[in-house]
Amino acid sequence: AQSVAQPEDQVNVAEGNPLTVKCTYSVSGNPYLFWYVQYPNRGLQFLLKYITGDNLVKGSYGFEAEFNKSQTSFHLKKPSALVSDSALYFCAVGLRGNTPLVFGKGTRLSVIA
Amino acid sequence: EAGVAQSPRYKIIEKRQSVAFWCNPISGHATLYWYQQILGQGPKLLIQFQNNGVVDDSQLPKDRFSAERLKGVDSTLKIQPAKLEDSAVYLCASSRRDGAWVYEQYFGPGTRLTVT
Repeated sequence: AQSVAQPEDQVNVAEGNPLTVKCTYSVSGNPYLFWYVQYPNRGLQFLLKYITGDNLVKGSYGFEAEFNKSQTSFHLKKPSALVSDSALYFCAVGLRGNTPLVFGKGTRLSVIA
Repeated sequence: EAGVAQSPRYKIIEKRQSVAFWCNPISGHATLYWYQQILGQGPKLLIQFQNNGVVDDSQLPKDRFSAERLKGVDSTLKIQPAKLEDSAVYLCASSRRDGAWVYEQYFGPGTRLTVT
Protein backbone atom coordinates (compact mmCIF):
# COMPACT_ATOMS: atom_id res chain seq x y z
CA ALA A 1 0.00 0.00 0.00
CA GLN A 2 1.21 3.50 -0.72
CA SER A 3 1.86 6.14 1.92
CA VAL A 4 3.03 9.72 2.15
CA ALA A 5 4.94 11.44 4.92
CA GLN A 6 5.13 15.18 5.45
CA PRO A 7 7.59 15.43 8.33
CA GLU A 8 6.89 19.07 9.22
CA ASP A 9 3.57 20.19 10.66
CA GLN A 10 4.55 23.85 10.25
CA VAL A 11 7.04 25.73 8.11
CA ASN A 12 7.78 29.40 8.74
CA VAL A 13 9.60 31.53 6.20
CA ALA A 14 10.20 35.23 5.71
CA GLU A 15 8.68 36.88 2.66
CA GLY A 16 11.14 36.92 -0.22
CA ASN A 17 13.09 33.93 1.06
CA PRO A 18 13.04 30.55 -0.66
CA LEU A 19 10.71 27.93 0.76
CA THR A 20 10.73 24.16 0.85
CA VAL A 21 7.93 21.87 1.99
CA LYS A 22 9.08 18.29 2.36
CA CYS A 23 7.38 15.10 1.21
CA THR A 24 8.52 11.49 1.10
CA TYR A 25 6.53 8.60 -0.23
CA SER A 26 6.37 4.82 -0.18
CA VAL A 27 4.83 2.90 -3.04
CA SER A 28 5.25 -0.35 -4.93
CA GLY A 29 5.71 0.58 -8.55
CA ASN A 30 6.03 3.88 -10.34
CA PRO A 31 4.52 6.71 -8.32
CA TYR A 32 2.36 9.52 -9.53
CA LEU A 33 2.93 12.47 -7.21
CA PHE A 34 0.86 15.58 -6.61
CA TRP A 35 0.90 18.75 -4.56
CA TYR A 36 -2.30 20.50 -3.53
CA VAL A 37 -2.86 23.69 -1.55
CA GLN A 38 -5.81 24.38 0.75
CA TYR A 39 -6.89 27.84 1.83
CA PRO A 40 -9.26 28.31 4.79
CA ASN A 41 -12.82 27.12 4.12
CA ARG A 42 -11.95 26.11 0.59
CA GLY A 43 -11.31 22.85 -1.18
CA LEU A 44 -7.94 21.65 -2.33
CA GLN A 45 -6.39 23.33 -5.35
CA PHE A 46 -4.05 21.47 -7.67
CA LEU A 47 -0.52 22.88 -7.85
CA LEU A 48 1.53 20.39 -9.84
CA LYS A 49 2.10 16.73 -10.61
CA TYR A 50 4.88 14.36 -11.53
CA ILE A 51 4.00 11.51 -13.85
CA THR A 52 7.16 10.78 -15.81
CA GLY A 53 10.00 12.59 -17.51
CA ASP A 54 11.91 15.54 -16.07
CA ASN A 55 12.49 15.30 -12.36
CA LEU A 56 11.86 19.03 -11.92
CA VAL A 57 8.20 19.86 -12.32
CA LYS A 58 6.89 23.40 -12.58
CA GLY A 59 3.40 24.29 -11.46
CA SER A 60 1.03 27.10 -10.59
CA TYR A 61 1.93 30.33 -8.75
CA GLY A 62 5.68 29.87 -9.25
CA PHE A 63 5.90 26.59 -7.35
CA GLU A 64 8.04 23.69 -8.47
CA ALA A 65 8.86 20.27 -7.11
CA GLU A 66 11.75 17.89 -7.55
CA PHE A 67 11.21 14.17 -7.87
CA ASN A 68 14.06 12.14 -6.37
CA LYS A 69 13.59 8.43 -6.90
CA SER A 70 16.56 7.31 -4.84
CA GLN A 71 15.40 9.31 -1.83
CA THR A 72 11.70 8.69 -2.54
CA SER A 73 11.06 12.39 -2.11
CA PHE A 74 9.00 15.04 -3.85
CA HIS A 75 9.76 18.32 -2.10
CA LEU A 76 7.82 21.47 -3.00
CA LYS A 77 9.86 24.61 -3.56
CA LYS A 78 9.51 28.26 -4.46
CA PRO A 79 12.41 30.66 -4.98
CA SER A 80 10.75 33.66 -3.32
CA ALA A 81 7.87 33.27 -0.86
CA LEU A 82 4.87 35.59 -0.74
CA VAL A 83 2.61 36.27 2.22
CA SER A 84 -0.26 35.03 0.06
CA ASP A 85 1.42 31.60 -0.12
CA SER A 86 0.45 31.03 3.52
CA ALA A 87 -1.84 27.98 3.47
CA LEU A 88 -2.00 24.25 4.11
CA TYR A 89 -0.07 22.12 1.63
CA PHE A 90 -0.73 18.46 0.91
CA CYS A 91 1.42 15.96 -0.90
CA ALA A 92 -0.34 12.96 -2.45
CA VAL A 93 0.63 9.77 -4.26
CA GLY A 94 -1.23 7.56 -6.70
CA LEU A 95 -0.27 4.39 -8.52
CA ARG A 96 -1.84 4.60 -11.94
CA GLY A 97 -4.45 6.46 -13.91
CA ASN A 98 -7.43 7.62 -11.89
CA THR A 99 -6.67 5.61 -8.79
CA PRO A 100 -7.54 7.30 -5.52
CA LEU A 101 -4.83 9.47 -4.06
CA VAL A 102 -3.25 8.86 -0.68
CA PHE A 103 -2.58 12.17 1.04
CA GLY A 104 -0.08 13.23 3.64
CA LYS A 105 -1.32 14.94 6.77
CA GLY A 106 -0.42 18.36 5.47
CA THR A 107 2.12 21.08 6.24
CA ARG A 108 1.05 24.54 7.27
CA LEU A 109 3.15 27.19 5.58
CA SER A 110 3.35 30.60 7.19
CA VAL A 111 5.07 33.38 5.28
CA ILE A 112 5.90 36.34 7.47
CA ALA A 113 6.15 39.84 6.07
CA GLU B 1 -15.22 25.96 -16.83
CA ALA B 2 -17.37 25.66 -13.73
CA GLY B 3 -15.77 23.88 -10.80
CA VAL B 4 -17.01 21.06 -8.62
CA ALA B 5 -20.14 22.12 -6.76
CA GLN B 6 -21.10 20.83 -3.32
CA SER B 7 -23.99 21.52 -1.00
CA PRO B 8 -24.63 22.26 1.72
CA ARG B 9 -21.45 24.02 2.82
CA TYR B 10 -22.14 23.50 6.50
CA LYS B 11 -24.33 21.11 8.44
CA ILE B 12 -24.87 20.57 12.14
CA ILE B 13 -26.80 17.51 13.30
CA GLU B 14 -27.22 15.50 16.44
CA LYS B 15 -25.80 12.01 16.71
CA ARG B 16 -28.04 9.27 15.35
CA GLN B 17 -29.61 11.68 12.86
CA SER B 18 -29.15 11.27 9.13
CA VAL B 19 -27.57 13.67 6.66
CA ALA B 20 -26.99 13.84 2.91
CA PHE B 21 -24.43 15.70 0.85
CA TRP B 22 -24.65 16.51 -2.83
CA CYS B 23 -21.92 16.90 -5.43
CA ASN B 24 -21.97 17.98 -9.05
CA PRO B 25 -18.65 17.32 -10.80
CA ILE B 26 -17.04 19.25 -13.61
CA SER B 27 -18.86 18.60 -16.85
CA GLY B 28 -17.39 15.67 -18.75
CA HIS B 29 -15.47 14.26 -15.79
CA ALA B 30 -16.17 10.56 -15.66
CA THR B 31 -14.49 9.85 -12.34
CA LEU B 32 -15.92 11.12 -9.05
CA TYR B 33 -14.46 10.74 -5.57
CA TRP B 34 -15.72 11.36 -2.05
CA TYR B 35 -13.08 12.05 0.59
CA GLN B 36 -13.37 12.56 4.34
CA GLN B 37 -11.02 15.10 5.89
CA ILE B 38 -10.84 15.05 9.67
CA LEU B 39 -9.32 18.13 11.30
CA GLY B 40 -5.53 17.96 11.24
CA GLN B 41 -5.40 15.12 8.72
CA GLY B 42 -5.19 14.73 4.99
CA PRO B 43 -8.23 13.69 2.97
CA LYS B 44 -9.07 9.98 3.05
CA LEU B 45 -10.95 8.31 0.22
CA LEU B 46 -14.42 7.02 1.01
CA ILE B 47 -15.62 5.96 -2.44
CA GLN B 48 -14.68 6.30 -6.11
CA PHE B 49 -17.10 6.17 -9.03
CA GLN B 50 -16.31 5.65 -12.68
CA ASN B 51 -19.38 6.96 -14.53
CA ASN B 52 -22.16 5.42 -12.41
CA GLY B 53 -20.23 2.35 -11.27
CA VAL B 54 -18.32 1.95 -8.01
CA VAL B 55 -14.59 1.43 -8.50
CA ASP B 56 -13.41 1.49 -4.88
CA ASP B 57 -15.46 1.62 -1.70
CA SER B 58 -13.13 -0.37 0.51
CA GLN B 59 -12.85 2.41 3.10
CA LEU B 60 -16.53 3.32 3.19
CA PRO B 61 -18.20 2.37 6.51
CA LYS B 62 -21.03 0.61 4.79
CA ASP B 63 -23.06 0.07 7.93
CA ARG B 64 -23.81 3.80 8.06
CA PHE B 65 -22.50 5.42 4.88
CA SER B 66 -23.98 5.06 1.40
CA ALA B 67 -23.36 6.82 -1.88
CA GLU B 68 -24.80 6.79 -5.34
CA ARG B 69 -24.12 8.39 -8.67
CA LEU B 70 -27.21 7.96 -10.75
CA LYS B 71 -26.85 8.69 -14.47
CA GLY B 72 -23.09 9.10 -14.04
CA VAL B 73 -23.22 12.79 -13.25
CA ASP B 74 -24.02 14.16 -9.81
CA SER B 75 -23.68 12.16 -6.64
CA THR B 76 -25.03 11.99 -3.11
CA LEU B 77 -23.34 10.74 0.03
CA LYS B 78 -25.51 9.80 2.99
CA ILE B 79 -24.75 9.05 6.61
CA GLN B 80 -27.37 7.25 8.69
CA PRO B 81 -27.10 7.25 11.66
CA ALA B 82 -24.35 9.77 12.30
CA LYS B 83 -21.78 9.36 15.05
CA LEU B 84 -19.68 11.98 16.78
CA GLU B 85 -16.58 10.74 14.96
CA ASP B 86 -18.19 11.56 11.61
CA SER B 87 -17.53 15.25 12.27
CA ALA B 88 -15.29 16.21 9.37
CA VAL B 89 -15.17 17.99 6.03
CA TYR B 90 -16.53 15.89 3.18
CA LEU B 91 -14.82 16.67 -0.08
CA CYS B 92 -15.99 15.75 -3.53
CA ALA B 93 -13.51 15.62 -6.40
CA SER B 94 -13.68 14.75 -10.07
CA SER B 95 -11.23 13.99 -12.83
CA ARG B 96 -11.16 13.14 -16.49
CA ARG B 97 -10.55 9.65 -17.70
CA ASP B 98 -8.81 9.14 -21.02
CA GLY B 99 -7.05 5.83 -21.42
CA ALA B 100 -4.26 5.31 -18.95
CA TRP B 101 -3.20 8.95 -18.58
CA VAL B 102 -3.13 10.37 -15.09
CA TYR B 103 -5.26 13.45 -14.61
CA GLU B 104 -5.32 15.67 -11.57
CA GLN B 105 -8.38 15.72 -9.39
CA TYR B 106 -10.39 18.89 -8.96
CA PHE B 107 -11.97 19.42 -5.56
CA GLY B 108 -15.15 21.12 -4.48
CA PRO B 109 -15.28 23.48 -1.47
CA GLY B 110 -16.41 20.71 0.84
CA THR B 111 -19.21 20.25 3.36
CA ARG B 112 -18.26 20.79 6.98
CA LEU B 113 -20.28 18.39 9.14
CA THR B 114 -20.54 18.81 12.88
CA VAL B 115 -22.19 16.02 14.85
CA THR B 116 -23.21 16.98 18.40
